[in-house]
Amino acid sequence: DSGVTQTPKHLITATGQRVTLRCSPRSGDLSVYWYQQSLDQGLQFLIQYYNGEERAKGNILERFSAQQFPDLHSELNLSSLELGDSALYFCASSVVTSGVGGEQFFGPGTRLTVL
Amino acid sequence: AQSVTQLDSQVPVFEEAPVELRCNYSSSVSVYLFWYVQYPNQGLQLLLKYLSGSTLVKGINGFEAEFNKSQTSFHLRKPSVHISDTAEYFCAVITPYSGAGSYQLTFGKGTKLSVIP
Repeated sequence: DSGVTQTPKHLITATGQRVTLRCSPRSGDLSVYWYQQSLDQGLQFLIQYYNGEERAKGNILERFSAQQFPDLHSELNLSSLELGDSALYFCASSVVTSGVGGEQFFGPGTRLTVL
Repeated sequence: AQSVTQLDSQVPVFEEAPVELRCNYSSSVSVYLFWYVQYPNQGLQLLLKYLSGSTLVKGINGFEAEFNKSQTSFHLRKPSVHISDTAEYFCAVITPYSGAGSYQLTFGKGTKLSVIP
């Protein structure tokens, strides 16, 4: 158990809909990262937040957005969903944002299926 | 931009046999390399990391990896695998982001290790 929790575990929805994925980082971790894992694209970094502020952006679509709240939990919002958005979405957290030694701890993921 | 190539998508190996999972990276600057493991229906777990210093890095569960700058490789090895090592293994590199100390992990496509009894 990494200490990172994600809800829900599974999500099934229809095209055009909007969903929210939730992540609670490990106690004390200020950085939260979101990744998407799909069969064709592999594991891709989406976005990082540090103590409530956006710090880095990867291959995140404009239809997707995220935020980190004062209690440090984070939400990833996916809207106008398409079939291709079906994937496993991981959240990770780390204690540091500067330097490269900070290990990222991954949650169990949310599996999104768009029908 | 940095990238990671995992040369084998699937590697079957018999129990107690040695295994090597290959990873090559491309970068024109200093690199920081990682191996993660993903067991079925679980998140990723860090196996080991290379930041600097000794090129031979030891990780958890008996795995080790060797950083080879001249060959731009970071292959993962285990001398004797167990059934419980069946999982998907990801090589990753730090991609510095043009922000205040931010960085992101760039992953390879993964190698599925299947240990055969």
